[in-house]
Amino acid sequence: SQKIEQNSEALNIQEGKTATLTCNYTNYSPAYLQWYRQDPGRGPVFLLLIRENEKEKRKERLKVTFDTTLKQSLFHITASQPADSATYLCALGGMDSSYKLIFGSGTRLLVRP
Amino acid sequence: GAVVSQHPSRVICKSGTSVKIECRSLDFQATTMFWYRQFPKQSLMLMATSNEGSKATYEQGVEKDKFLINHASLTLSTLTVTSAHPEDSSFYICSALGDGSYNSPLHFGNGTRLTVT
Repeated sequence: SQKIEQNSEALNIQEGKTATLTCNYTNYSPAYLQWYRQDPGRGPVFLLLIRENEKEKRKERLKVTFDTTLKQSLFHITASQPADSATYLCALGGMDSSYKLIFGSGTRLLVRP
Repeated sequence: GAVVSQHPSRVICKSGTSVKIECRSLDFQATTMFWYRQFPKQSLMLMATSNEGSKATYEQGVEKDKFLINHASLTLSTLTVTSAHPEDSSFYICSALGDGSYNSPLHFGNGTRLTVT
């Protein structure tokens, strides 16, 4: 069956450390993958896009990797801050030439001051 | 830019009544909008794809007669939950495709918390 797995347990880290979140998928062949941030009671906000032919993308303190062999994406936040505390969602796209995104259930990140 | 406004943010209705949720793209035109549903601590589940001027495409298992979608203009899509029941209580979120290119990010509204009593 098709699955997108993100760690359901919250990731709790100290301010200043690097947070690493994982997105694994099974029986999908995405052309691209996106990461979103969601705060409680709000809609998700787009962060980064990485295509299947790209291994790594960076934006300020954020870094995303995409390994189509392992069927995995890693999302890193360096020099984490309490304001980074939120739920982070990965989303797979481009499976059937449509615009649809299929979302993982997200991982909650807590950054302690 | 790329702001999506969704109203209402919260609504409480009685079982058997209908509720309309509006999703507007404020500063761009959105030929394609998506409606998602989210239960607590769960993933966003795609309900339907809404295309301006044509019928919505519903995902498997979503009742099209219960969740009516209208996308009458390039800036407005509506979702009407008809004859709502307590099991329809959920967080409904709309999103709009940005520039319409293949891997464009989605711009989300802030969701509507529906409670059916």
